[in-house]
Amino acid sequence: SQQGEEDPQALSIQEGENATMNCSYKTSINNLQWYRQNSGRGLVHLILIRSNEREKHSGRLRVTLDTSKKSSSLLITASRAADTASYFCATDARNTDKLIFGTGTRLQVFP
Amino acid sequence: KAGVTQTPRYLIKTRGQQVTLSCSPISGHRSVSWYQQTPGQGLQFLFEYFSETQRNKGNFPGRFSGRQFSNSRSEMNVSTLELGDSALYLCASSLAGIFPGLFFGPGTRLTVL
Repeated sequence: SQQGEEDPQALSIQEGENATMNCSYKTSINNLQWYRQNSGRGLVHLILIRSNEREKHSGRLRVTLDTSKKSSSLLITASRAADTASYFCATDARNTDKLIFGTGTRLQVFP
Repeated sequence: KAGVTQTPRYLIKTRGQQVTLSCSPISGHRSVSWYQQTPGQGLQFLFEYFSETQRNKGNFPGRFSGRQFSNSRSEMNVSTLELGDSALYLCASSLAGIFPGLFFGPGTRLTVL
């Protein structure tokens, strides 16, 4: 079963625009991670945010975490065509080494 | 460092057969996790091995099994294949666990006819 659900399921934007994806999860977590997957290939780790952090930045990525609402968002600023991919949030249940993935958001960035 | 490698990349089998997929983690990584990805169910956790021991297991039937060798390489086996086993099987490695993140291989695309 999946821990997280992402919203929207699909998102289409123009290059230069910002893209925001949201993730909601069900149980308490230690960390939340975001991954990118290019069409039918392996996933690439983007960023990790700990449960005691509220915001984290990495290049054009900004992640927020609200543990009271059990939700996170990923913001990609100044999107590029190369950002076209599926984006997944992933959470760990406390005291396990299982990383459970959300349903993913398919992002299409048009040149 | 070389990344995570998975072999074979593509595989076609028929119902009832069995299949073995292989994963070589990044050098020095001792944890290997396996995931199944399908359009309907998304990414589902299969199991995780650390130092040749299965530490975590997902909710898959006993037809799905795995093992890890002393060099950290891992294999997963699916017996008595069903049509619904058609999926992208992803292997991921890390030093010791899921923190700070997993390194994924390109996957093995299994088609069951």
